[in-house]
Amino acid sequence: NAGVTQTPKFQVLKTGQSMTLQCAQDMNHNSMYWYRQDPGMGLRLIYYSASEGTTDKGEVPNGYNVSRLNKREFSLRLESAAPSQTSVYFCASSVGATGTTEAFFGQGTRLTVV
Amino acid sequence: GENVEQHPSTLSVQEGDSAVIKCTYSDSASNYFPWYKQELGKRPQLIIDIRSNVGEKKDQRIAVTLNKTAKHFSLHITETQPEDSAVYFCAATLGAGTALIFGKGTTLSVSS
Repeated sequence: NAGVTQTPKFQVLKTGQSMTLQCAQDMNHNSMYWYRQDPGMGLRLIYYSASEGTTDKGEVPNGYNVSRLNKREFSLRLESAAPSQTSVYFCASSVGATGTTEAFFGQGTRLTVV
Repeated sequence: GENVEQHPSTLSVQEGDSAVIKCTYSDSASNYFPWYKQELGKRPQLIIDIRSNVGEKKDQRIAVTLNKTAKHFSLHITETQPEDSAVYFCAATLGAGTALIFGKGTTLSVSS
């Protein structure tokens, strides 16, 4: 089992460019999440999807959009990247339709916006 | 919304000492409280969790306690080893479920 797989692992964007971060899980989990990690700020929730077909805003959704393409895949889109979006992005999934079971994380995407 | 405060932000101990990390949460509906360990350059991984109907849980050298009345929970690591050096995150559910909100992390350094 691959678990949670994120692509790409590294990306450099110019201000104003757009891109989509991909995430896929092969554990048949219901819930999927996107977090960003910045030094001293911990993991902050961007968006989450409790089940296929639903998405909800987290703590820091501004500047991002998401798509739950199917049960396996949950993508994060930056429409017009800004330097403030330089961060490490983690996708995670959990088996339950709520946040009350273990979240498994992907390996992260290190994004730099110049 | 949920707010999770974590202290201290850094903690240095000698090998064999105990380490305690404390978290408070704001949403009384929160019902699941996991702890994650993140080694440098790696992804966060669950080390222990506790649910709201339990006051304490132990797994070898690691224990977690929960005080729902005071809305705080703590991670206790006994007999620390250099391999325990990492960043530790506490988390609480957003309301009674849906997603996890994390604290800002504690960098634990264990020196031999």
